[in-house]
Parts: sequence; structure tokens; C-alpha cells
Amino acid sequence: DGGITQSPKYLFRKEGQNVTLSCEQNLNHDAMYWYRQDPGQGLRLIYYSQIVNDFQKGDIAEGYSVSREKKESFPLTVTSAQKNPTAFYLCASSIVGTGRTGELFFGEGSRLTVL
Amino acid sequence: RKEVEQDPGPFNVPEGATVAFNCTYSNSASQSFFWYRQDCRKEPKLLMSVYSSGNEDGRFTAQLNRASQYISLLIRDSKLSDSATYLCVVRGSARQLTFGSGTQLTVLP
Repeated sequence: DGGITQSPKYLFRKEGQNVTLSCEQNLNHDAMYWYRQDPGQGLRLIYYSQIVNDFQKGDIAEGYSVSREKKESFPLTVTSAQKNPTAFYLCASSIVGTGRTGELFFGEGSRLTVL
Repeated sequence: RKEVEQDPGPFNVPEGATVAFNCTYSNSASQSFFWYRQDCRKEPKLLMSVYSSGNEDGRFTAQLNRASQYISLLIRDSKLSDSATYLCVVRGSARQLTFGSGTQLTVLP
């Protein structure tokens, strides 16, 4: 079955450490996205990529980095420069840009806790 | 002012009730509108798009008022399984989606 796989599902990190969240899709979608969700808040866009080897900053890119070396993969690194990294991270993909239907397909998310 | 604003709720309604959520958006150039559903500690999933003429999908009706810049979602004959957070989503001229913070619904037996 096609879908988006995020790993790990839960992650604990000490302050000052970088951590990389994995996102893989087999939907053959061109566009991929990373969002962050905090309690009581909407999803906020961190980075997005509409084509391999290209990506753009979203609204809250500071302290994060991404790469898009393959169509299927869009890993997110949370660096030590991110001041409040504890959050629920969601990876998504869509057909082209946000698609005419506006449908994003989300992974199950990764919960990062910084100790 | 937030780009997309929703009443956070919670809305607690009995089974069979009709409940309506509103959402306002600030950018008059916004092009497309959607409702997503998110179950507790799960990922969001598209519930329905919102068309200018209004649209219905079973017990769910979505409406758009461009003049007043708001979107609504009506749920009739609420089921226990409708309990979730409903996210209002707007696509602006930059083509990216902006999510509201969500309205929490609990349907009570």
C-alpha cells in the first residue's frame, strides 16, 4: 500500500544534540513538506520541496535543515539552534505543489521531546 | 491577527445533534479552502474541500462566504465517531496551505 512513513515515532534528545527525522513516501508525489504542531496551535510549515534537489523555507525554518536528494525522501534535521524543539512533527506530500484538491497526505508523525 | 482563526471549543454535543463550526481568514486573495479532520494524537486527513457554491458530503455541509471571509462546516446527526479536531485550511496566493488551530468536537452518548 502507498503511503508516507515517518520514523522514529517517538524520540528523546538531550539539549545541544542534533536529531534527524526520516520521511519516506511511495506515492510518487513531487512535493513534500514538513510541519510542526504544538498543543493548541495549528500546523506551521517548516520547509517544503516541490522537486528533487530543491527546497524552500517555510514560516519557521530557523534551527532546521532538510535535503531532497531523492523524490521519495525528505529528511528533517532539528539542530541545536532550534530553541524550542519539543513538538509533534508531521511530514506530508502532495501531487504537484499543494495540488488542485489541496490534499496533503500526512505521515503518522514523530514526537520529539528534548530533555 | 492570525491568518486563519477558529473557535477552539471544545464543543460537547449529544449524539444526533447538529453542530456548526466557523472559521475566518484574513487574506482576501485566498484561493481555496478545506476542512481537515485530526483524531487525537494522529495525523490530519482531508475531510472536504469548500466550494463557492457550498457543497455537501453526506452529513457534512461546507460553505464559503467570500464577502465576509469565513468558512463554515455543519455536521448533522452527529455520531460518536465524529469526535475529533476539525482544522480549517486556506490556500493563499503563494499556493501554500495555512492551517487554523482547530476546533475540538466531542460527541457524547
